[in-house]
Amino acid sequence: DADVTQTPRNRITKTGKRIMLECSQTKGHDRMYWYRQDPGLGLRLIYYSFDVKDINKGEISDGYSVSRQAQAKFSLSLESAIPNQTALYFCATSDLWGSNTGELFFGEGSRLTVL
Amino acid sequence: AQSVSQHNHHVILSEAASLELGCNYSYGGTVNLFWYVQYPGQHLQLLLKYFSGDPLVKGIKGFEAEFIKSKFSFNLRKPSVQWSDTAEYFCAVTPNSGYSTLTFGKGTMLLVSP
Repeated sequence: DADVTQTPRNRITKTGKRIMLECSQTKGHDRMYWYRQDPGLGLRLIYYSFDVKDINKGEISDGYSVSRQAQAKFSLSLESAIPNQTALYFCATSDLWGSNTGELFFGEGSRLTVL
Repeated sequence: AQSVSQHNHHVILSEAASLELGCNYSYGGTVNLFWYVQYPGQHLQLLLKYFSGDPLVKGIKGFEAEFIKSKFSFNLRKPSVQWSDTAEYFCAVTPNSGYSTLTFGKGTMLLVSP
């Protein structure tokens, strides 16, 4: 089983609909992230959480919200989806300590299409 | 805030050719540097990382990268590429503060022809 699991893997929805992407991890990491990948733009950070009580906006948080339900769960919501939110979304985790500081461990990605 | 610039958006090579992908970052302090690879249809995986010490780091699958602090560069190299190296490569940087996030470059798509 994957250490970082995202659901759904693929979703097609319509403009104005509310969408939730879920992420769960078994790595025991405190830190979780949501990134968005668009062709030619690389990965851009949407939100991140350094522990259960911590939520921070990233580079492109407008139109998105998140919830850290537990150490292992971090969900991303689009309250009213719009077509330019069509993208590949990645959840990632990281640990603070030791030689792994800063290294990200990614989920398989959730491809979202907004019509 | 830090930023990352990758020099090439697309690179096409024949098998056995040598590879060098450029990466420059902008940040005034100490950084941790990474190269990630994304094979077609897959998620990002770590190729190699630099935290401190020897500026020449070796990663998986024969890749290596050299950190040149004076040039703010962390170029990725491989002496002889294979068709299976076809993928997108991302350079990333984070300040070595423990409370910062990773910033990615826009990626370089490498196509290796057999």
